[in-house]
Amino acid sequence: QLQLQESGPGLVKPSETLSLTCTVSGGSISSFNYYWGWIRQPPGKGLEWIANIYYSGSTYYNPSLKSRVTISVDTSKNQFSLRLSSVTAADTAVYYCARSLGVVLTFDYWGHGTLLTVSS
Amino acid sequence: QSALTQPPSASGSPGQSVTISCTGTSSDVGGYNYVSWYQQHPGKAPKLMIYEVSKRPSGVPNRFSGSKSGNTASLTVSGLQAEDEADYYCSSYAGSNMGVFGGGTKLTVL
Repeated sequence: QLQLQESGPGLVKPSETLSLTCTVSGGSISSFNYYWGWIRQPPGKGLEWIANIYYSGSTYYNPSLKSRVTISVDTSKNQFSLRLSSVTAADTAVYYCARSLGVVLTFDYWGHGTLLTVSS
Repeated sequence: QSALTQPPSASGSPGQSVTISCTGTSSDVGGYNYVSWYQQHPGKAPKLMIYEVSKRPSGVPNRFSGSKSGNTASLTVSGLQAEDEADYYCSSYAGSNMGVFGGGTKLTVL
C-alpha cells in the first residue's frame, strides 16, 4: 500500500524559507506517469494546489505561487520536497503531499498533512 | 486561474439524494474531462471519490456519481448515509499542466 509522509519544521518565522519533505513508501517515486504534488489548506479554508513534479525532474507550478516555490525530487531517497520563500502569515496552512494520476492533477494518494505555522 | 465555484453548503436526509455543483470556465471544467471530486472529513486528508468526471476509484461506493454539462460539473450522492457528512471539493485540470480546486461544499446529513 502506497504511503506518503510529510515532514517539516512546524513553525517558521515571517520572511524565512520553509522546507517540507514528502517520503514515499510502498511504491517507487519513479513510476511511469505518476506525478507528485503539494497541496495546502489554510485553517478553515479550501484546498490550493501548489506544485507538481515528475521523477525526471519536470516541474509544474501554480502561477500565483511560482515566484516563491521550488519543488524538487530525490529518487534515490524516494522523496520529493517543497521550498517556499518569503513566507507570511498567509502561508500558515496544513501542507499535504500527494500522488497525481498523470499530469492532470488527479490526486489518488495523500499524506496525512503537516501543519505549518508562520509566526514570529 | 480562479477557484471553481461551489455552493458553501448542501444538505439532505438519510436515504435521499443530493447534488453538489462545481462551476468553472471553458478553460478548465468545460475544456477538459479531468474533473475530480474529493471528500474530506474533519482533521483528515482528502479522499478521491470521482475522477475524469464520472469514474470511481476502487472502493468508492456506487452511491457516488459524477457528471458534467458545459462548464459545470456535478457530484451526486444517492442514498445518503450519516458517514457521507463531510466537506467536498471539486478540482479540474486547467491546461498548461495546471490545476484548480473549488472552494468546497459542506454536506450535512440531517
